[in-house]
Amino acid sequence: DAMVIQNPRYQVTQFGKPVTLSCSQTLNHNVMYWYQQKSSQAPKLLFHYYDKDFNNEADTPDNFQSRRPNTSFCFLDIRSPGLGDAAMYLCATSRDLAGGNEQFFGPGTRLTVL
Amino acid sequence: GENVEQHPSTLSVQEGDSAVIKCTYSDSASNYFPWYKQELGKRPQLIIDIRSNVGEKKDQRIAVTLNKTAKHFSLHITETQPEDSAVYFCAAEQQKLVFGQGTRLTINP
Repeated sequence: DAMVIQNPRYQVTQFGKPVTLSCSQTLNHNVMYWYQQKSSQAPKLLFHYYDKDFNNEADTPDNFQSRRPNTSFCFLDIRSPGLGDAAMYLCATSRDLAGGNEQFFGPGTRLTVL
Repeated sequence: GENVEQHPSTLSVQEGDSAVIKCTYSDSASNYFPWYKQELGKRPQLIIDIRSNVGEKKDQRIAVTLNKTAKHFSLHITETQPEDSAVYFCAAEQQKLVFGQGTRLTINP
């Protein structure tokens, strides 16, 4: 009964080669988030979707894009990965925005850039 | 925007002793304060949370206290066990979650 699923769990790409990470949820939550987490650091919010409304964090590089074709799925596209983009990418969901709604995290995708 | 400071960055305690991790936040409008435990290579998992209308909450060996006036909140783990070893993150939410820097807790047998 997995709730937030991320594929693949490990992704290796080459410098500059576009890559897409996927996230799906069975919770029917309105909000889906993408976080970047580098070693020994806190998760850093990249953007979130409230239903179809996309919200980008001010310091998220243009290299990072996202798509949410339906309630269940959300994708993170990295157009030209650099060595500095190697990290764990965490997807999370919540029923609603703010108001103390618990965020449920997926297992993450560890991205390696060669 | 919100800023969350977490201390200490590392904490080592003997098995059976208590561990305390402290966080401060800057935005008085923040109203939800979760704590996440993250084991190596795994997802963050919510272990306890507290809302701004409550001063203390306890769940078995874990408790959280909130002082809204001083804008700080703390995680208390009693009777620590080796499986409590992990990185712990506090967070504060107003419009979005803002995480503290994390505390690496090591329980020594």
